[in-house]
Amino acid sequence: DIQMTQSPSSLSASVGDRVTITCRASQSLINYLNWYQQKPGKPPRLLIDGASSLQSGVPSRFSGSGSGTDFTLTIISLQPEDFGTYYCQQSYNTLFTFGGGTTVEIK
Amino acid sequence: QLQLQESGPRLVKPWETLSLTCTVSGGSISSRDSYWGWIRQPPGKGLEWLGSVWYSGHTYYSPSLKSRVTVSVDTSKNQFSLRLTSVTDAETAVYYCARHRYTNGWGGFDYWGQGTLVTVSS
Repeated sequence: DIQMTQSPSSLSASVGDRVTITCRASQSLINYLNWYQQKPGKPPRLLIDGASSLQSGVPSRFSGSGSGTDFTLTIISLQPEDFGTYYCQQSYNTLFTFGGGTTVEIK
Repeated sequence: QLQLQESGPRLVKPWETLSLTCTVSGGSISSRDSYWGWIRQPPGKGLEWLGSVWYSGHTYYSPSLKSRVTVSVDTSKNQFSLRLTSVTDAETAVYYCARHRYTNGWGGFDYWGQGTLVTVSS
């Protein structure tokens, strides 16, 4: 099994801050890593797939980077609507494992 | 715009079978690059993929559930379904259906249903 570890598990930041969330895989994913945002009571929203490919309609303040085992989701200027929980997910193999999530709170 | 909608019983007794259906609209479930999956989320917890199906009926399952889970497709109705046997109260969760694509490798789950809370309780 591929284990996905996200850090931190939660963070609190101010509007305008740069926020970085890390996802580490237990084996190489090449670039088969996806990022989601989930708000309470809603399904997850795919933000980025292929480690760095921004989905249509996702604001450009979101970016993804990394390859192999270490990946990063960056929000370059946090906005009030960016609160929620962020998940990484591997699609390297057909186990489609999710990370444990990072909850982002706006100060 | 592709839309997915889960339906099925919201309350299941322990050791019985959970059955849900996802109806796809705004697109064909027979699209060759699309797989259709089920993901669940216990209250206050993270996401767990359960299984996925292609329009041909080819399936992938989570190894931890493989003996109890079945995902099937009905192309005539543009629907796919989840069946999970011998459920326990720990499997109370919001169950989502979602689409993911395979084009030179697997993509993310890009379209989701709204989710349905299934409670396992006697």
